[in-house]
Amino acid sequence: GNSVTQMEGPVTLSEEAFLTINCTYTATGYPSLFWYVQYPGEGLQLLLKATKADDKGSNKGFEATYRKETTSFHLEKGSVQVSDSAVYFCALRPISSGSARQLTFGSGTQLTVLP
Amino acid sequence: NAGVTQTPKFRVLKTGQSMTLLCAQDMNHEYMYWYRQDPGMGLRLIHYSVGEGTTAKGEVPDGYNVSRLKKQNFLLGLESAAPSQTSVYFCASSYIGEQFFGPGTRLTVL
Repeated sequence: GNSVTQMEGPVTLSEEAFLTINCTYTATGYPSLFWYVQYPGEGLQLLLKATKADDKGSNKGFEATYRKETTSFHLEKGSVQVSDSAVYFCALRPISSGSARQLTFGSGTQLTVLP
Repeated sequence: NAGVTQTPKFRVLKTGQSMTLLCAQDMNHEYMYWYRQDPGMGLRLIHYSVGEGTTAKGEVPDGYNVSRLKKQNFLLGLESAAPSQTSVYFCASSYIGEQFFGPGTRLTVL
């Protein structure tokens, strides 16, 4: 079946440090890939996405590249801020989800950025 | 636009009690979803709907029922709550891509 494996947290960084959160997936064919962010006390928000191999999604200084050969979609940011403290979820939508457009989520990675 | 709203925000139940969680969206989306979020497990799909009057089971449907009588509303029911249903419940809606999430309902079953 489909699955998403995320780097275990929590991750604690100092402000302006480089961030990488690893995400690998298992799916048939070419799924769409997503990163969602959940700020404290809120629901999930879409951070970025990629729909085909070698696509790079980017938003708010975050980037992730769809790597078919390594089945990965690692999240990176060059210089994190305190306001980036949140839980980050990697997710996929398989081609076979059809009209339901269901997502499969990873377990989430808690990021804390210290001033 | 309010987006996706959920009622209530918090609830404490005793084992065996019933309750209904309400999700409402004002974006005219066809698809709606109910997830539960548990520590270390990400979000798991409970039930979903691809349009008014339709519902389908997700990954973890046991112990829950849903209804979609109106396009904008998606109700999640617990007929006889169990401690294993202690969780944070999220509703989401979508049209052709991105899912939009509500703020969540924190449910504790004693």
